[in-house]
Amino acid sequence: EVQLVESGGGLVQPGRSLRLSCRGSGFIFGDFAVTWYRQAPGKGLEWLGLIRSFYYGGAIDYAASVRDRFTISRDDSMSIAYLQMNSLKTEDTAVYFCTRQRDVLTDFWGQGTLVTVSS
Amino acid sequence: EIVLTQSPGTLSLSPGERATLSCRASQTVSNNYLAWYQQKLGQAPRLLIYGASIRATGIPDRFSGSGSGTDFTLTITRLEPEDVAVFYCHQYVTSPLTFGGGTRVEIK
Repeated sequence: EVQLVESGGGLVQPGRSLRLSCRGSGFIFGDFAVTWYRQAPGKGLEWLGLIRSFYYGGAIDYAASVRDRFTISRDDSMSIAYLQMNSLKTEDTAVYFCTRQRDVLTDFWGQGTLVTVSS
Repeated sequence: EIVLTQSPGTLSLSPGERATLSCRASQTVSNNYLAWYQQKLGQAPRLLIYGASIRATGIPDRFSGSGSGTDFTLTITRLEPEDVAVFYCHQYVTSPLTFGGGTRVEIK
């Protein structure tokens, strides 16, 4: 069974950093791209960026809104992807989802981890 | 950026009725790289339809997708109480990947 489990969320003060993790299981993690999305409370879905598989050079794309503050990485030996978030703002408060990318399509989602940015 | 506009915002129907959800793109979605996701309260989205009309694995055949270019439709025939959710359309052809604002389906 394909599973993606996010962790690392919580309450953080504005301006601080947080690193989210996403562990995959039930599939060959290294064969797939991983995409991160977020959903602010009561709002829709926002694409943050993706990291391609080693086969595609591990290339990374970011949404313009987070490009200067967020960094995506992966460790295929551990089947984990990361989302490093720096200089957090109150508007970054959201549930953060990691997903598996089959070719260009997001086909499986983790359950998400809540990040609350507040003083 | 491809902007996706969904309508209606909310759909309230009785069990057994047919639900028709619309998604209009601001520009052509090439290769019909348009997907539909269902998100139930407190849960992660679930892939229903991709390639505009291909049902994902395990999705009941009462869900169907159609359309091409800039106009797409998700149809739920014979609405069931378990279908209560927000449905999002999503284009995955062009970065940034984008979603519509969602259609909430309620049961009367």
